[in-house]
Amino acid sequence: KNEVEQSPQNLTAQEGEFITINCSYSVGISALHWLQQHPGGGIVSLFMLSSGKKKHGRLIATINIQEKHSSLHITASHPRDSAVYICAAPYSGGGADGLTFGKGTHLIIQP
Amino acid sequence: ETGVTQSPTHLIKTRGQQVTLRCSSQSGHNTVSWYQQALGQGPQFIFQYYREEENGRGNFPPRFSGLQFPNYSSELNVNALELDDSALYLCASSLAGRVNSPLHFGNGTRLTVT
Repeated sequence: KNEVEQSPQNLTAQEGEFITINCSYSVGISALHWLQQHPGGGIVSLFMLSSGKKKHGRLIATINIQEKHSSLHITASHPRDSAVYICAAPYSGGGADGLTFGKGTHLIIQP
Repeated sequence: ETGVTQSPTHLIKTRGQQVTLRCSSQSGHNTVSWYQQALGQGPQFIFQYYREEENGRGNFPPRFSGLQFPNYSSELNVNALELDDSALYLCASSLAGRVNSPLHFGNGTRLTVT
């Protein structure tokens, strides 16, 4: 089973700050997911990436397959970015099964 | 394009009872996976269905079972409910049988076992 570790678990920052959330996994994978969960439970897929970098608005995700590490960055953070951010990797490294999730990073952006 | 819908949104059951949770996948998605999220924890993979067959399972006992129907909707059944089964149950749909396709999550069913 893939083990996924995230850091930090909790992060409080001021509006406008640059945010970095880190994720490492134990088993080589074909793709890694970054997800956002708001209070109440709904989960939204932010990125799915297998190499390099992806950017969507103020969010940037990078992955280093060799080091089994990924980062999610938020530029010019805003209070509406406050949420739990979760990285997830294939449960057994690849193939047709579900995901193993990190415990999530609880991000609070203060005005 | 309809999103992933789960029903019911909330449910209260008594220890020992059985429960069925339902998930309608996003239009065109043939793969559904189920997750259990305890309070303050990340989701845990229960199992995945692809074309009506279970094709992956996490570390959950056999009293957690599922079905997928020809229209790709899915059910999660839990027998002999225990207090620790209280959690948010999430389903996610995707295209094809691999985790490399983007996931679309439902809003979950919050199950409370008393």
